[in-house]
Amino acid sequence: DVKVTQSSRYLVKRTGEKVFLECVQDMDHENMFWYRQDPGLGLRLIYFSYDVKMKEKGDIPEGYSVSREKKERFSLILESASTNQTSMYLCASQTGLSYEQYFGPGTRLTVT
Amino acid sequence: AQSVTQLDSQVPVFEEAPVELRCNYSSSVSVYLFWYVQYPNQGLQLLLKYLSGSTLVKGINGFEAEFNKSQTSFHLRKPSVHISDTAEYFCAVSETGGSEKLVFGKGTKLTVNP
Repeated sequence: DVKVTQSSRYLVKRTGEKVFLECVQDMDHENMFWYRQDPGLGLRLIYFSYDVKMKEKGDIPEGYSVSREKKERFSLILESASTNQTSMYLCASQTGLSYEQYFGPGTRLTVT
Repeated sequence: AQSVTQLDSQVPVFEEAPVELRCNYSSSVSVYLFWYVQYPNQGLQLLLKYLSGSTLVKGINGFEAEFNKSQTSFHLRKPSVHISDTAEYFCAVSETGGSEKLVFGKGTKLTVNP
């Protein structure tokens, strides 16, 4: 079974803090994605990566950056957290041969 | 660019009743279609997918969906729901031969009542 893990299930941070969300997949997938999920808005793509050190902006990249130094790990960085970044963050991985995405359990981030 | 519309944000039903969750998409090219389910406090899990072939697709937990190209729809159905089907359901689309990104609908919250 494909496993996608995220470093924290719940996280509380203060405004202005630098926040790191980590995601690890164990299936050697090429593609990895970061989404945020808000009630009534569904999933919105923040960033994705097709390979190590490669990244592309999604629909809502403002206020976020990413890092992919190893194939299995994809990090989402909030340089200076703000209250409007309070949300559920979901990571997913995907083999380049298939369009199916495998999701982690999510990190519920609260910025106070 | 593709888009997905899930026509109902909430669907309440009684246990053992049939249910249909509606999904329409918009795209200028051929697409792949997916339904995902999210149980409370969990990530998304694939229910079923349409890539090619038969337009009637069967998935896990007794769900099925039918791809209708002329109506650009991919509605999800189950003939008899259980309390455990209470969850949020997301329809997603991706262009064939293009970027592997998925575009998601806003979700339908299915509540199964006893």
